[in-house]
Amino acid sequence: RKEVEQDPGPFNVPEGATVAFNCTYSNSASQSFFWYRQDCRKEPKLLMSVYSSGNEDGRFTAQLNRASQYISLLIRDSKLSDSATYLCVVASNQGGKLIFGQGTELSVKP
Amino acid sequence: GAVVSQHPSWVICKSGTSVKIECRSLDFQATTMFWYRQFPKQSLMLMATSNEGSKATYEQGVEKDKFLINHASLTLSTLTVTSAHPEDSSFYICSASGTGLQETQYFGPGTRLLVL
Repeated sequence: RKEVEQDPGPFNVPEGATVAFNCTYSNSASQSFFWYRQDCRKEPKLLMSVYSSGNEDGRFTAQLNRASQYISLLIRDSKLSDSATYLCVVASNQGGKLIFGQGTELSVKP
Repeated sequence: GAVVSQHPSWVICKSGTSVKIECRSLDFQATTMFWYRQFPKQSLMLMATSNEGSKATYEQGVEKDKFLINHASLTLSTLTVTSAHPEDSSFYICSASGTGLQETQYFGPGTRLLVL
């Protein structure tokens, strides 16, 4: 079983749609959680950290459920520029190592 | 702030040659640098973690004699792919974290390696 699992997609949605991505992780001792965005042939860029209380940044809302070991990302009012691969990332309790999910591909169409 | 550069951005080489990739933190001191590899349609896989002045810690399955890592200063780490073969063709990405950055990892732009 992979340490971090995501549905690879692709998710094809129209502009303005709301889309949700889910992720599960296997190590209950994991310390920190993030969503990264990766554009084609580029490095990943931090989108937002994820907290148990939930956090929102503009059109993006992230949620963490430690009991279920589940992380989510909600994107509202999708823009064409949101098209990218979204990576669920978990920081282990071993020296700050990041464990990346496979990524979920999002394509927003006009 | 917190910019990480990589050089070269892409390289094409013949099978059997060695390739060196540099990772630099431009505006902070990177106490720890990480090297990742990403194959098409796959996730980033951590290859090794290096702390300045000490030997790198390699992940299971990564050959330390093939992927030589040197972290000689607080702003530079190098990854050398020795005797590269076509199966080593991949996207190599480094990241760096340092004191005062709350352990956030900042990623370099990556190096695309193609071995013919």
